[in-house]
Amino acid sequence: GENVEQHPSTLSVQEGDSAVIKCTYSDSASNYFPWYKQELGKRPQLIIDIRSNVGEKKDQRIAVTLNKTAKHFSLHITETQPEDSAVYFCAASRRSYNTDKLIFGTGTRLQVFP
Amino acid sequence: NAGVTQTPKFQVLKTGQSMTLQCAQDMNHNSMYWYRQDPGMGLRLIYYSASEGTTDKGEVPNGYNVSRLNKREFSLRLESAAPSQTSVYFCASRVQVGETQYFGPGTRLLVL
Repeated sequence: GENVEQHPSTLSVQEGDSAVIKCTYSDSASNYFPWYKQELGKRPQLIIDIRSNVGEKKDQRIAVTLNKTAKHFSLHITETQPEDSAVYFCAASRRSYNTDKLIFGTGTRLQVFP
Repeated sequence: NAGVTQTPKFQVLKTGQSMTLQCAQDMNHNSMYWYRQDPGMGLRLIYYSASEGTTDKGEVPNGYNVSRLNKREFSLRLESAAPSQTSVYFCASRVQVGETQYFGPGTRLLVL
């Protein structure tokens, strides 16, 4: 079945450094790849997403890259701040008549130390 | 515009008891979902409803049933709760496949 693997499971960085989280997916028909941020005790919230017709998307300090050939995509956070500390989830889905499932990775706990 | 709402926020059950988790959205979304979140397991899909009148199983449907009552509401029922169903349950919705999925605030369930 469809599967999304996410690495690393934990990541600690110094404030101001960059953080990179990587995901691989198994379903080659996947064409939508969102990233969610979940703070402690809160709901997951979308921070950025990318579709299969582009290779990179950027929003201020956050960027996502997609390599369809290798079936992997990555989240890049630059100039990290303590408020970036949270659990980040990648996900993948495909637009299809008979399927409507967003498959999530297992999450990365990011800690940014001041 | 409240987005996605869930009730209750917290619930404690004894093994064997039943309960229904309620979810509603006011964004006119077609698709609705139920996930459970356990430590280290990420978000696992229990059931989903691609449109009003349809429901389908996700990754972990055993022990649960769902009802898409109308376009706004999607409920999750535990007929006979087990300790293994202790988890945080999130409801979510989106307009259609390939669009942003929005989550509710979650329900924390403890089964003793």
